[in-house]
Amino acid sequence: DQQVKQNSPSLSVQEGRISILNCDYTNSMFDYFLWYKKYPAEGPTFLISISSIKDKNEDGRFTVFLNKSAKHLSLHIVPSQPGDSAVYFCAARRKGAQKLVFGQGTRLTINP
Amino acid sequence: GAGVSQSPRYKVAKRGQDVALRCDPISGHVSLFWYQQALGQGPEFLTYFQNEAQLDKSGLPSDRFFAERPEGSVSTLKIQRTQQEDSAVYLCASSPDRGNQPQHFGDGTRLSIL
Repeated sequence: DQQVKQNSPSLSVQEGRISILNCDYTNSMFDYFLWYKKYPAEGPTFLISISSIKDKNEDGRFTVFLNKSAKHLSLHIVPSQPGDSAVYFCAARRKGAQKLVFGQGTRLTINP
Repeated sequence: GAGVSQSPRYKVAKRGQDVALRCDPISGHVSLFWYQQALGQGPEFLTYFQNEAQLDKSGLPSDRFFAERPEGSVSTLKIQRTQQEDSAVYLCASSPDRGNQPQHFGDGTRLSIL
């Protein structure tokens, strides 16, 4: 059973515009959420995280929003740049556990 | 280097052979994780160490998979009698402690079983 879902396999956005990547989860025991970015032949690189006690966390061009009632989080990238083209993974960790549960990923393409 | 280092980057083995994959975590990181990533999927948890103690091995798919971290630093993931379904990228990650700290990943070992 897929506890973390990224329903959009791919997303294409024009350079300079906002990219919005979405993630849904089913386990209400998740209390820490992360976004990773992955280039081909490299490991995932940590981007930004959010604890369940918050509903927003911002770091430069990246903002993560958490809606606990909807069990939904999103990553906003603004403005989008060509170097943002990569696969983005949403991940979640259950309270008291250490392992991360990942979504299937969304391939983001930024068009010039 | 300052990041997580994995070796080899690529490994090709014949079905039935044993393989060993190595992970050097970031210096001082207490926690170490192994994940398996199939093509087109997200990473899936295999096992977790806190220092030398293996605290969670619930994700290991069979008893052919074995991991160790004898001195609380370098870790080895061993797969015995490999099968074609073991073909995947094996990722290692480390983090400083048990708090809300992100896991930092290595570039992985791509394992191909012929």
